[in-house]
Amino acid sequence: DAKTTQPNSMESNEEEPVHLPCNHSTISGTDYIHWYRQLPSQGPEYVIHGLTSNVNNRMASLAIAEDRKSSTLILHRATLRDAAVYYCILRVSNSGNTPLVFGKGTRLSVIA
Amino acid sequence: GAVVSQHPSWVICKSGTSVKIECRSLDFQATTMFWYRQFPKQSLMLMATSNEGSKATYEQGVEKDKFLINHASLTLSTLTVTSAHPEDSSFYICSAHASGRSYNEQFFGPGTRLTVL
Repeated sequence: DAKTTQPNSMESNEEEPVHLPCNHSTISGTDYIHWYRQLPSQGPEYVIHGLTSNVNNRMASLAIAEDRKSSTLILHRATLRDAAVYYCILRVSNSGNTPLVFGKGTRLSVIA
Repeated sequence: GAVVSQHPSWVICKSGTSVKIECRSLDFQATTMFWYRQFPKQSLMLMATSNEGSKATYEQGVEKDKFLINHASLTLSTLTVTSAHPEDSSFYICSAHASGRSYNEQFFGPGTRLTVL
């Protein structure tokens, strides 16, 4: 799987939007971009995923660059509950039978 | 979303004993489950892929005789840490692939914290 690069940590004020960047310059045409997050002492949870087009769901938005070499996870209004480690993961194809390979992720701190 | 449970949520054991961790998919069938290990302040590291009714596939560097994986049913996979030692102390997390869904999302369990004294 292609590698991703994320900042080690980011900080946001509560109720402000947060943009979490991810670089994946070696992405292939069949790689899906997945975002998961891990709250303290819990297992990861799915946030959003996409292939080429921008995506929105109730948790977040995913903006994918036209060349697909980078993407940005957007939390529209950060809350204290959003403090977590966010992982940007590429996975070949959309098959759930292939594991997710986690990088170091970005630790997001939210300040009240 | 689908629910994956793990039992126990935490365990403390003496060095040399074996510990079994259960991973269950509560409301869906999972032909494939994955086991991860996470040390403090580090990311998740994939240990093995567990397929129902067949032998698990282990990642390079993971001892299959030490970390025994059994996936006997479509809703249960177990990880047994045999002859545990302090260096095996870690947070063990399983995930399950929900078969038959339009998006093959993986659902993670809450994790099991193992402390070996």
